[in-house]
Amino acid sequence: QKEVEQDPGPLSVPEGAIVSLNCTYSNSAFQYFMWYRQYSRKGPELLMYTYSSGNKEDGRFTAQVDKSSKYISLFIRDSQPSDSATYLCAMSVGNNDMRFGAGTRLTVKP
Amino acid sequence: DAMVIQNPRYQVTQFGKPVTLSCSQTLNHNVMYWYQQKSSQAPKLLFHYYDKDFNNEADTPDNFQSRRPNTSFCFLDIRSPGLGDAAMYLCATSRRRRAANEKLFFGSGTQLSVL
Repeated sequence: QKEVEQDPGPLSVPEGAIVSLNCTYSNSAFQYFMWYRQYSRKGPELLMYTYSSGNKEDGRFTAQVDKSSKYISLFIRDSQPSDSATYLCAMSVGNNDMRFGAGTRLTVKP
Repeated sequence: DAMVIQNPRYQVTQFGKPVTLSCSQTLNHNVMYWYQQKSSQAPKLLFHYYDKDFNNEADTPDNFQSRRPNTSFCFLDIRSPGLGDAAMYLCATSRRRRAANEKLFFGSGTQLSVL
């Protein structure tokens, strides 16, 4: 079993839809959870960061962490074509390296 | 703008022919990382430098080497590329070493093809 599981998609939605992206993980010690966005032929860029369980909102983006279920989510409200990218979840324990998911490819159609 | 720059964007090499990928940063970060990302897979950490201190991941093949001549530059050398080494190679930086909540700044990557 991989340490971090992420459905690769692809996921295609119409403009304005609410998008839900998810990751599951097996290491209960993970405490820091991140979402990176990677546009085609570009490096990943940090989108959201949360510590432990709970929600965090930033504009149209909401990150949720449920440590009891080992499940994290990223919600995108009022999705735009410019949101079309691959979304990678990442998580870490204390001083350990980050573990990335494989990424979910999202396309938002005008 | 401060950034992480990787050259070249696309690199084609022949099976067994040594190749070097380069990364430079204007962020003045202490830590520089090299990741390998194959299609539809998670980025995999190959090694990192904390200042001049080199740290190899346990499962990084000996075929991969790295050099960091100064704070700004870091190189990835693949001594004898095989077909399985075709991937996107991502350079990243951070201020601190492996801190759990440390933000990584990535370059745009070098897409390596091996013929």
